[in-house]
Amino acid sequence: SQQGEEDPQALSIQEGENATMNCSYKTSINNLQWYRQNSGRGLVHLILIRSNEREKHSGRLRVTLDTSKKSSSLLITASRAADTASYFCATDAFRGGSNYKLTFGKGTLLTVNP
Amino acid sequence: DAGITQSPRHKVTETGTPVTLRCHQTENHRYMYWYRQDPGHGLRLIHYSYGVKDTDKGEVSDGYSVSRSKTEDFLLTLESATSSQTSVYFCAISPNSGASNTGELFFGEGSRLTVL
Repeated sequence: SQQGEEDPQALSIQEGENATMNCSYKTSINNLQWYRQNSGRGLVHLILIRSNEREKHSGRLRVTLDTSKKSSSLLITASRAADTASYFCATDAFRGGSNYKLTFGKGTLLTVNP
Repeated sequence: DAGITQSPRHKVTETGTPVTLRCHQTENHRYMYWYRQDPGHGLRLIHYSYGVKDTDKGEVSDGYSVSRSKTEDFLLTLESATSSQTSVYFCAISPNSGASNTGELFFGEGSRLTVL
């Protein structure tokens, strides 16, 4: 079963607006990552936030993590039509050894209208 | 871009036939993964490998087997394809090596499999 669940499933906004997507997960994590997928392509890593971090920025991306609520949010500021894609959160519970693996949510489809 | 190549990129096959998908990397990364992506389910892990000849099951491994005889190649085999295995299959790699874990996965472009 999915560890992360994104909300909303779909989001449609106008260019220039901010887009916020949320991710909830069930068990304790080591880190949480966000990925982007353009239609028909593979996933591309956007940002990683560790369990001891609360907020992280990368360009127009801002990620927050609340481990007490087991939730994260991805904010894309000043959105562009090129930001249209599906966005996935992924978690790992890695504690060493040989079992490093990510569990992905079902994704949020973001549409940015020109 | 990470050097990951999946082949074939598209395949149509009949129920009951064997199918092998290949993932080839030029990055010398330790970890390799096979995921499937289906509408309404997101990405689900099938199998992964943490070294040559070292593999483990993911959450949807039934009906699939894998092999990794050398660092650069990770093969996914459907011994007898079924219509429920119609999906888009993604290979991913990670340089994770425990203490120096960067966490990031690099994905291939996907292999679209249709089982009739």
